[in-house]
Amino acid sequence: ETGVTQTPRHLVMGMTNKKSLKCEQHLGHNAMYWYKQSAKKPLELMFVYSLEERVENNSVPSRFSPECPNSSHLFLHLHTLQPEDSALYLCASSQMGLAAEQYFGPGTRLTVT
Amino acid sequence: EDQVTQSPEALRLQEGESSSLNCSYTVSGLRGLFWYRQDPGKGPEFLFTLYSAGEEKEKERLKATLTKKESFLHITAPKPEDSATYLCAVQSPRAPDKLIFGTGTRLQVFP
Repeated sequence: ETGVTQTPRHLVMGMTNKKSLKCEQHLGHNAMYWYKQSAKKPLELMFVYSLEERVENNSVPSRFSPECPNSSHLFLHLHTLQPEDSALYLCASSQMGLAAEQYFGPGTRLTVT
Repeated sequence: EDQVTQSPEALRLQEGESSSLNCSYTVSGLRGLFWYRQDPGKGPEFLFTLYSAGEEKEKERLKATLTKKESFLHITAPKPEDSATYLCAVQSPRAPDKLIFGTGTRLQVFP
């Protein structure tokens, strides 16, 4: 595997379900990010982890819970989501201090029914 | 408030028809401006970083330029494979790990 991978690529879940998104980076980076991408809206930063510590939480609702067990893996745990949470969720990684040169995964297309 | 605005929202070009995409920004103390390309079903792919007014970067048919208020992505003699959404972002001066993105320009190049 190379670059940044995300699983699953597509996810349909009910409002009462609990699911997790997984991201893995194979680039030796030490910072990882979760973004939300909705139609007609800019990419929205959700969480930033640097050296496995959360450094940014962009006022995201508590129904989204991130986890970064090590510098290569990032999870986004989902529970009791709302239909407006349907979006493309993107993971990215970078070297700490080089936030602009972020490498993105292909994303997980999430649909909440 | 820091903000990035991209125009046009969508652009249709014939193959070989050169054009420019615009990214205007309002941010106090620009630390960097970045261009990404996003293909359908994929994550954004990093293209260029620009740090100061007057700076230019080139890659194949793409050239990015920067002024104090805006950046342009010039596409010279585009090909159908240049079709994608082009995203512009600025680095937040208050939170260096945070990129502020525009909504993008969806480019379609027809043969």
